Amino acid sequence: QVQLVESGGGLVKPGGSLRLSCEASGFIFSDYYMTWIRQAPGKGLEWVSYISLSSSYTNYADSVKGRFTISRDNAKNSLYLQLNSLTAEDTALYYCARSPGYSSSSTGALDIWGQGTMVTVSS
Amino acid sequence: DMQMTQSPSSLSASVGDRVTITCRASHSIGNYLNWYQQKAGKAPQLLIYAASSLQTGVPSRFSGSGSGTDFTLTINSLQPEDFATYYCQQSYSTPRGPVTFGQGTRLEIK
Repeated sequence: QVQLVESGGGLVKPGGSLRLSCEASGFIFSDYYMTWIRQAPGKGLEWVSYISLSSSYTNYADSVKGRFTISRDNAKNSLYLQLNSLTAEDTALYYCARSPGYSSSSTGALDIWGQGTMVTVSS
Repeated sequence: DMQMTQSPSSLSASVGDRVTITCRASHSIGNYLNWYQQKAGKAPQLLIYAASSLQTGVPSRFSGSGSGTDFTLTINSLQPEDFATYYCQQSYSTPRGPVTFGQGTRLEIK
């Protein structure tokens, strides 16, 4: 079935790094734009980063720009997020999600989400 | 940057009620507005895309309307499984601009 499965979360000290992965199955991964979204405990959804179909374009929230890097490997049906210089404010459940497109008919809707992987930044 | 203001932030209602949640964008976003439902401990699920299109598999009691800056999500005849948190999301300026979520509306049983 169509699914996204995140992994790579864990406990890391301030200033540390992590690499999150998101493995796609059940659909043609290279046909979808991909996004990372996070949710701090008890808080709302925060968009983190976006990557286009062939990785030609990426974008980041101001809160993570310069510290996080999004990438994808279409041959491996996988999305990644490299997290560097982590702070306590980065503690959150990180979701990956797919979007069929950004036209006026698709409007960047995130139609499939993973179950999330938890990142905890603490000394 | 684009701001999305959702209201109310919380709402109490009874099974069978009709409820409306609103989302206002700081600038016109055409129809680039999507709605999600998130139940406790679960990932969000897409309900409505392009302001008013019902995602496949979503019950018809959910509907969306609006364009430009003002949007609404309406749930007719609330069911027990509808008590959750709802978020709006805009992606009008993607890829050059950020995606923005509303702050969420928590729908509770009265």
